[in-house]
Amino acid sequence: DADVTQTPRNRITKTGKRIMLECSQTKGHDRMYWYRQDPGLGLRLIYYSFDVKDINKGEISDGYSVSRQAQAKFSLSLESAIPNQTALYFCATSDSGQGVLGEAFFGQGTRLTVV
Amino acid sequence: AQKITQTQPGMFVQEKEAVTLDCTYDTSDPSYGLFWYKQPSSGEMIFLIYQGSYDQQNATEGRYSLNFQKARKSANLVISASQLGDSAMYFCAMRELYSGGGADGLTFGKGTHLIIQP
Repeated sequence: DADVTQTPRNRITKTGKRIMLECSQTKGHDRMYWYRQDPGLGLRLIYYSFDVKDINKGEISDGYSVSRQAQAKFSLSLESAIPNQTALYFCATSDSGQGVLGEAFFGQGTRLTVV
Repeated sequence: AQKITQTQPGMFVQEKEAVTLDCTYDTSDPSYGLFWYKQPSSGEMIFLIYQGSYDQQNATEGRYSLNFQKARKSANLVISASQLGDSAMYFCAMRELYSGGGADGLTFGKGTHLIIQP
């Protein structure tokens, strides 16, 4: 089983619909992240969380919200999906005890298409 | 200004040749980490190698090595004896300890698409 699991893996949704992407991890890491990947732009940070009560905006948080339900679970929501949110979404974790050493472990990605 | 610059959008290399993928970075943080990830066509992000800003020696992991030139702010990935399975997107990324007052997490370059030809 993967250490960082994202569900669903693929999703097609309609404009205006609410959608939630879920992430769970078994690594015991305290920090969790949501990234978005668009072709030619690399990955960009949407939100990150240091622990259950500490959630922070990243570079491109507009149009998104998150919930850290437990140390192991971090969900990303699109309240009203729009076509330019079509992208590949990644969840990642790291261990703050490692400082900058804590490599980010990535989920398999969720391919979201908004039509 | 971009924090991570990868100047090679695409590269074609003959199988068994060595490959160097370029990465330059920009930070004023004295403590940072540099990462390389591989993304095959299936989409997952695979961690390859890490270099810390205070590490004296270049990192190596099997066929991967990181040519770290701190004064030039470069962190090039070297793949020795390339294989067909090395064909993928490669991303350079950085984490800053203090994040310059900004967000935690990794800052990624735009990637290099490497194609290994038989």
